Amino acid sequence: EVQLVQSGGDVKKPGESLRISCKGSGYSFTSYWISWVRQTPGKGLEWIGRINPRDSYIEYSPSFQGHVTISDDKSISTAYLQWNSLQASDTAMYFCAAVPQGGAAWFWGQGTLVTVSS
Amino acid sequence: EIVLTQSPGTLSLSPGDGATLSCRASQSGSSKFLAWYQQKPGQAPRLLIYGASGRATGIPDRFSGSGSGTDFTLTISRLEPEDFAVYYCQQYGSSPWTFGQGTKVEIK
Repeated sequence: EVQLVQSGGDVKKPGESLRISCKGSGYSFTSYWISWVRQTPGKGLEWIGRINPRDSYIEYSPSFQGHVTISDDKSISTAYLQWNSLQASDTAMYFCAAVPQGGAAWFWGQGTLVTVSS
Repeated sequence: EIVLTQSPGTLSLSPGDGATLSCRASQSGSSKFLAWYQQKPGQAPRLLIYGASGRATGIPDRFSGSGSGTDFTLTISRLEPEDFAVYYCQQYGSSPWTFGQGTKVEIK
């Protein structure tokens, strides 16, 4: 059974850094791309970007390029989403999803709630 | 980027009713790359339909997808109590992926 388990929620102050994780199991980690999606009450679901664990190729949405970093560690079947300087507007639920190449998001993590507040 | 517009915003229906949800794209792309997701409170989205009309594994046949070009439809033939949720369409053929704003199917 394919499972994606995300790290727990966190509360941070503006300007702080954060890395959240998404660990895959029940499949070969390099078989599916990992996409990251943000959800907020105001803007709904937004695609942040994706990584191909096979070759670590990364693509970002223009809306998030330069503000977040996507990476992975194939040795532990884990993908990451990182911020170097959080803003209050980063407060959201973040989901990872496993995606067959060229496909839709078949499998989802449970979500990680990030709260940024002074 | 492709903008997806869903309608209506909310559908108020009773169990046993049929539901028709619409998704319109701002540009015509391949209908192979249109998906529908269901999301319940506190849960991640769940893939229902891919490629506009393919049912994902384990999805009941009361859910069906159709459409092409810029107009797509998700039909739920007979609503079960567990079907009351928010539904999103998504295009994954053109980068960046984009999602519609969602249609809430609520109990009347």
